[in-house]
Amino acid sequence: GAGVSQSPSNKVTEKGKDVELRCDPISGHTALYWYRQSLGQGLEFLIYFQGNSAPDKSGLPSDRFSAERTGGSVSTLTIQRTQQEDSAVYLCASSPGQGRTEAFFGQGTRLTVV
Amino acid sequence: AQSVTQLDSQVPVFEEAPVELRCNYSSSVSVYLFWYVQYPNQGLQLLLKYLSGSTLVKGINGFEAEFNKSQTSFHLRKPSVHISDTAEYFCAVSRLTDKLIFGTGTRLQVFP
Repeated sequence: GAGVSQSPSNKVTEKGKDVELRCDPISGHTALYWYRQSLGQGLEFLIYFQGNSAPDKSGLPSDRFSAERTGGSVSTLTIQRTQQEDSAVYLCASSPGQGRTEAFFGQGTRLTVV
Repeated sequence: AQSVTQLDSQVPVFEEAPVELRCNYSSSVSVYLFWYVQYPNQGLQLLLKYLSGSTLVKGINGFEAEFNKSQTSFHLRKPSVHISDTAEYFCAVSRLTDKLIFGTGTRLQVFP
């Protein structure tokens, strides 16, 4: 597609349930990021995939969070046993390379845990 | 590891006034610096970036930023703001082989 696509755009889930958020990056982009945006918290880095390298998971807030990227393209962010503090907008971005290249963002998934 | 500090969470300003949004970074090696903007109910888009060369960088919508290595700063400026500039502005830093890290953002509110 023309841009980064995220689905669903909105997700309401009950506390304790698992959720999966999907990101389709721009074709050919080797780098993929997940960020979490909460009110007053800015963009919190979660995880970074770059080509075939091991992902940088240093931003994942707990072991309830995990992400994978299949075939160097689509990525899924999974949150297990969701808590109310997980409520936020989850943003995905992709980039043609690392370091100096621009990141292109999706519209995000708004997750609400009730 | 690199980090970014945006000193002002909110900046109110009247239309046609100048504005400066502050950004400081920390890194022990050379960095690349970016400003992104998020208009209400929209996704993030790149305003401008500093990779190397001239320390004064011009971006879209009349914004510019100056890289100051000695002060480890990359402040964003516009000489005359418009109502349409009301948005959240994020400063970001990366290194050659590393991820993009964002600051907490500055909300620019332009009043008529």
